[in-house]
Amino acid sequence: AQSVTQLGSHVSVSEGALVLLRCNYSSSVPPYLFWYVQYPNQGLQLLLKYTSAATLVKGINGFEAEFKKSETSFHLTKPSAHMSDAAEYFCAVSEKGTYKSIFGTGTRLKVLA
Amino acid sequence: NAGVTQTPKFQVLKTGQSMTLQCAQDMNHNSMYWYRQDPGMGLRLIYYSASEGTTDKGEVPNGYNVSRLNKREFSLRLESAAPSQTSVYFCASSEVGNSGANVLTFGAGSRLTVL
Repeated sequence: AQSVTQLGSHVSVSEGALVLLRCNYSSSVPPYLFWYVQYPNQGLQLLLKYTSAATLVKGINGFEAEFKKSETSFHLTKPSAHMSDAAEYFCAVSEKGTYKSIFGTGTRLKVLA
Repeated sequence: NAGVTQTPKFQVLKTGQSMTLQCAQDMNHNSMYWYRQDPGMGLRLIYYSASEGTTDKGEVPNGYNVSRLNKREFSLRLESAAPSQTSVYFCASSEVGNSGANVLTFGAGSRLTVL
């Protein structure tokens, strides 16, 4: 069965500091992995996705994530946080041939001036 | 560029009342979904429709029914609302891309309060 664990429901960073949001997954077959972002009072939108083409995936707004099979991880990073990055971030997993995406519980990122 | 449109955005119900959440997408996607979002629990799948004419249960289907009216529209019905159904509901649609990944496009959400 698929599952996703996001460590840290709240993360605070200073503006200009490194952003690191953690995601570990469980899947019986090679997974597809996603990061979605939710700004206040909005729906979720895709930040980036891993589809086995490359282990380092670049997304929008300067975010990237690295797939590490040995660690079953797909952590999200950004070198320098901006105030506009304040949002809730969700990691999700799905398997090829299925229509279900399983979401983590989310990490709320706060950026301090 | 409407994408996924949900109505209503806000609704307050009394316990036992019924209501239907409407969802429509204009991207010609085959698959549509209903999720609920609760604090600390992420998004949980209620029902999905892989293609027009089919519906399947997700993780938390109890207390809900769905109708895939046509390729564009997918509605969620609460027959007898309960306080435990107070939540934010998201409709989404998807099409499997060339990579095989199922990328979801979400609506803006419907906030439901059951008193």
